[in-house]
Amino acid sequence: GEDVEQSLFLSVREGDSSVINCTYTDSSSTYLYWYKQEPGAGLQLLTYIFSNMDMKQDQRLTVLLNKKDKHLSLRIADTQTGDSAIYFCAESRNNNDMRFGAGTRLTVKP
Amino acid sequence: GAVVSQHPSWVICKSGTSVKIECRSLDFQATTMFWYRQFPKQSLMLMATSNEGSKATYEQGVEKDKFLINHASLTLSTLTVTSAHPEDSSFYICSAREPTQNIQYFGAGTRLSVL
Repeated sequence: GEDVEQSLFLSVREGDSSVINCTYTDSSSTYLYWYKQEPGAGLQLLTYIFSNMDMKQDQRLTVLLNKKDKHLSLRIADTQTGDSAIYFCAESRNNNDMRFGAGTRLTVKP
Repeated sequence: GAVVSQHPSWVICKSGTSVKIECRSLDFQATTMFWYRQFPKQSLMLMATSNEGSKATYEQGVEKDKFLINHASLTLSTLTVTSAHPEDSSFYICSAREPTQNIQYFGAGTRLSVL
């Protein structure tokens, strides 16, 4: 089946930038998402990008999409301790059938 | 963003009993809702797609008689875990598709512990 892959762990120092990477295999993907999950909580939609876009910026978050390489990244500027969480990359063709990566656990050290 | 409410947040039950979990879209109507299961330190696994006014579509390997889904209104879907067993203990998360944005918004999840 179609896969979404992302590295499992990322550790950064407070104030640095974090970059979480994701690759996917479905060339028909039309929507790509980043969700944040804090311990014991559901998923919070951080941002999403359409496949016809290359970049989207929203305050401290920047999403870059390389459709040719099927590579998606999430950059968090000025990372804070409150950003510590698990970040899920997801993709879908029509938002009906979403496929999630395994999640990247971001640890922010003071 | 749109709000999805999920209740209860945590439930402990005895083996053999049934548990109902509710998922509500609070500020939009959702013809389609989704139920996921998440094991510790793992990603989400789609269990079923809930369609208002019709039968749910279950993913392969998910027992429809075990996990009953009802989507009787445009703002409410329920998941009933019937005759629960300890292996059903898990974190269950619902989502609802907001139709104007075509984006899924997630509930806070329900932690089910079966003793």
